[in-house]
Amino acid sequence: ETGVTQSPTHLIKTRGQQVTLRCSSQSGHNTVSWYQQALGQGPQFIFQYYREEENGRGNFPPRFSGLQFPNYSSELNVNALELDDSALYLCASGVDTQYFGPGTRLTVL
Amino acid sequence: GENVEQHPSTLSVQEGDSAVIKCTYSDSASNYFPWYKQELGKRPQLIIDIRSNVGEKKDQRIAVTLNKTAKHFSLHITETQPEDSAVYFCAASETSGTYKYIFGTGTRLKVLA
Repeated sequence: ETGVTQSPTHLIKTRGQQVTLRCSSQSGHNTVSWYQQALGQGPQFIFQYYREEENGRGNFPPRFSGLQFPNYSSELNVNALELDDSALYLCASGVDTQYFGPGTRLTVL
Repeated sequence: GENVEQHPSTLSVQEGDSAVIKCTYSDSASNYFPWYKQELGKRPQLIIDIRSNVGEKKDQRIAVTLNKTAKHFSLHITETQPEDSAVYFCAASETSGTYKYIFGTGTRLKVLA
């Protein structure tokens, strides 16, 4: 298993609410990426953080935002939740070789 | 835009047979190609990767080949075992700037005992 951890494991929210997901990266890794994995699909890149700065963003609206902290842990925030936001959210630490956390399963009702 | 196509979407093989999964990428700047195995309810796990300066890489029963000209890369699993049953994802990445992965749509491999 990798040293990447995520919390919470599962989360249920209602449409319009806001959510914060957390990721603790593998020791020594200063780069964290976030991916959204809808059921039956491959992960889709949301954004990446390198040394507390955003270092690239995928095709996701501004209501998806993030933070990286000095210890390289990271948060993904999603505002104004929509039903289509229901998915497994994965964080990955590392640069060219990325190691994934176990994910947070978000259900939006 | 950037895209990775993956085939087949499902694959059933008899235990002991070989399995081959193929991917095609669109971004010619891609130079790193990892493969992940994801079991139900678990995290994607890196099983093998290849860089663009190498044509083939092998690790025990698993091998990956890369054809840069055709923008194809493939995963080969020999002597399949029931524990190989999972969803396999290919990905392509450019190792400069943003190290984002573009994933394929996945292949569900079933190894029949």
